[in-house]
Amino acid sequence: DQQVKQNSPSLSVQEGRISILNCDYTNSMFDYFLWYKKYPAEGPTFLISISSIKDKNEDGRFTVFLNKSAKHLSLHIVPSQPGDSAVYFCAARGYSGSARQLTFGSGTQLTVLP
Amino acid sequence: DVKVTQSSRYLVKRTGEKVFLECVQDMDHENMFWYRQDPGLGLRLIYFSYDVKMKEKGDIPEGYSVSREKKERFSLILESASTNQTSMYLCAAQGSFSGANVLTFGAGSRLTVL
Repeated sequence: DQQVKQNSPSLSVQEGRISILNCDYTNSMFDYFLWYKKYPAEGPTFLISISSIKDKNEDGRFTVFLNKSAKHLSLHIVPSQPGDSAVYFCAARGYSGSARQLTFGSGTQLTVLP
Repeated sequence: DVKVTQSSRYLVKRTGEKVFLECVQDMDHENMFWYRQDPGLGLRLIYFSYDVKMKEKGDIPEGYSVSREKKERFSLILESASTNQTSMYLCAAQGSFSGANVLTFGAGSRLTVL
């Protein structure tokens, strides 16, 4: 049973437009949410995070929104650039046994068209 | 920045072989993780370690074991490789559980089991 879901496996947008990537979760005990970006043949790299006590966090062109009542978060990229083309993973932090762990979604392939 | 190095980028093994995947981090980070990435399934946690000689099972530990004899090195072992273990394996390191739990990943080891 996937606790973190990314229902769109792929998304294409035009350069300069907004990209919106979505993520849903089921565990209300998650306390942090993160987005990672992954290029082919490289490991994922951290992009942006948000605490569960906030509803928005912004870093340059990237903004993450959290709607706790809907158990939904989204990543907005404005304006989108061709270099943003990558797989984006949503992750949520929770407890498993004695340690905090990250649970990842299945990823969304973003393609930004020039 | 923490650098995480996975020595083998591409491996091809036969069913039943014993496989070692090595991971080394160059900072004094306590926590290390092994994930596998499969299309449509995202990143799934196999094992993690929060100290030398300590290990905890993740979500999919069956068929795998790990070794952490030194703080900087975390090895994933497939005792008898099977075709369903063909995957991309990602190692990650992290400092103490603080802030947003940011992981730093290696570039990955793509394993094919024939």
